[in-house]
Amino acid sequence: GAGVSQSPRYKVAKRGQDVALRCDPISGHVSLFWYQQALGQGPEFLTYFQNEAQLDKSGLPSDRFFAERPEGSVSTLKIQRTQQEDSAVYLCASSFLHQQGPYGYTFGSGTRLTVV
Amino acid sequence: QQQVKQSPQSLIVQKGGISIINCAYENTAFDYFPWYQQFPGKGPALLIAIRPDVSEKKEGRFTISFNKSAKQFSLHIMDSQPGDSATYFCAARGGYQKVTFGIGTKLQVIP
Repeated sequence: GAGVSQSPRYKVAKRGQDVALRCDPISGHVSLFWYQQALGQGPEFLTYFQNEAQLDKSGLPSDRFFAERPEGSVSTLKIQRTQQEDSAVYLCASSFLHQQGPYGYTFGSGTRLTVV
Repeated sequence: QQQVKQSPQSLIVQKGGISIINCAYENTAFDYFPWYQQFPGKGPALLIAIRPDVSEKKEGRFTISFNKSAKQFSLHIMDSQPGDSATYFCAARGGYQKVTFGIGTKLQVIP
């Protein structure tokens, strides 16, 4: 597609419920990132994939958060036993793989997760 | 630990004026400094970016000034327009292409 597509756009979950958030990156983009954006804050890094390999998951806040990209394209961010503090916008971004030079992520519009 | 510090958090500028947003960083391993623009309900979009070996970059009404020795950089928006009203994030790229964002500046340009 022309851009990064995320679904659902909005998700309301009861505390303790498991959720799965989907990201369809731009075709051909090797790199895929997940970020968490709390209200009034900048995006915070969660995890990074290069193709199907998860190279950095240092930003995942707890073992309740899990991300996968099994075929190097679509990615899913799963949150188990959701807590109120998980309420945020979850952003996915993708890019070509460049070792140097200017480039930028292309972000999706995000999934707004509200835990009640 | 806030690796990229951004100020101010909100800014009101009159149409035609200059908007200035400042950022500072600590990690000298950062190798690329992008600015993102975010409208409500949308993801951030790349606006302009600079490498640390360049002191200034201009694209249209947007200019980044970069001071490597002070570890500071800033965004200037000339002739600010109401359509520029958005949240602006400075950012810095580190290892594995991970980008660290500032807290954001909510800019309002009033007619």
